[in-house]
Amino acid sequence: EAQVTQNPRYLITVTGKKLTVTCSQNMNHEYMSWYRQDPGLGLRQIYYSMNVEVTDKGDVPEGYKVSRKEKRNFPLILESPSPNQTSLYFCASRSLPGPLALHFGNGTRLTVT
Amino acid sequence: GDSVTQMEGPVTLSEEAFLTINCTYTATGYPSLFWYVQYPGEGLQLLLKATKADDKGSNKGFEATYRKETTSFHLEKGSVQVSDSAVYFCALSGVGGTSYGKLTFGQGTILTVHP
Repeated sequence: EAQVTQNPRYLITVTGKKLTVTCSQNMNHEYMSWYRQDPGLGLRQIYYSMNVEVTDKGDVPEGYKVSRKEKRNFPLILESPSPNQTSLYFCASRSLPGPLALHFGNGTRLTVT
Repeated sequence: GDSVTQMEGPVTLSEEAFLTINCTYTATGYPSLFWYVQYPGEGLQLLLKATKADDKGSNKGFEATYRKETTSFHLEKGSVQVSDSAVYFCALSGVGGTSYGKLTFGQGTILTVHP
């Protein structure tokens, strides 16, 4: 089954403790992206990647890192999480080129205390 | 930069009522337009899309027409069901430069349908 898999689904952590949210897709998509969803703000892009070893900042990259060492994986790293990073995070992927839709994972609910 | 504006929610309707969720956009060139739906506890799913002016996207009884002259992509359904209760997002896909491939989302509209 074609899917984007994120882990974990729920994560509670404390300020400053490094964490990684994993994302994997099995559709051989070139493009992968991370979004955060906050009430009243919709989804905002954090980082994206056009292919292996090619990553770039989205609209809200501060406090986050990503890597794309393999085509299928695109982990999101919070080196020193802060409470303002409490949010719902989504990983998504799509093929390039063309106006094709993004495929989304089921989300990771992160709480930073 | 690109932006999407959706009507404020939440929207509450009775079953079989007519639904309209307004969406307008600002973008350079001719972006592709999408509606996504998010059911409780799930990720976003593509509901419908349109890639050029005057295209009509449709799926599961929902429709939206790409109106270049009014920069709009309003979502409509003639008769909603309880199972349509969800959050609906309008989005556009940029056409060039750093916008290529990126989806810009509206703020989302919560729809609740009562029996």
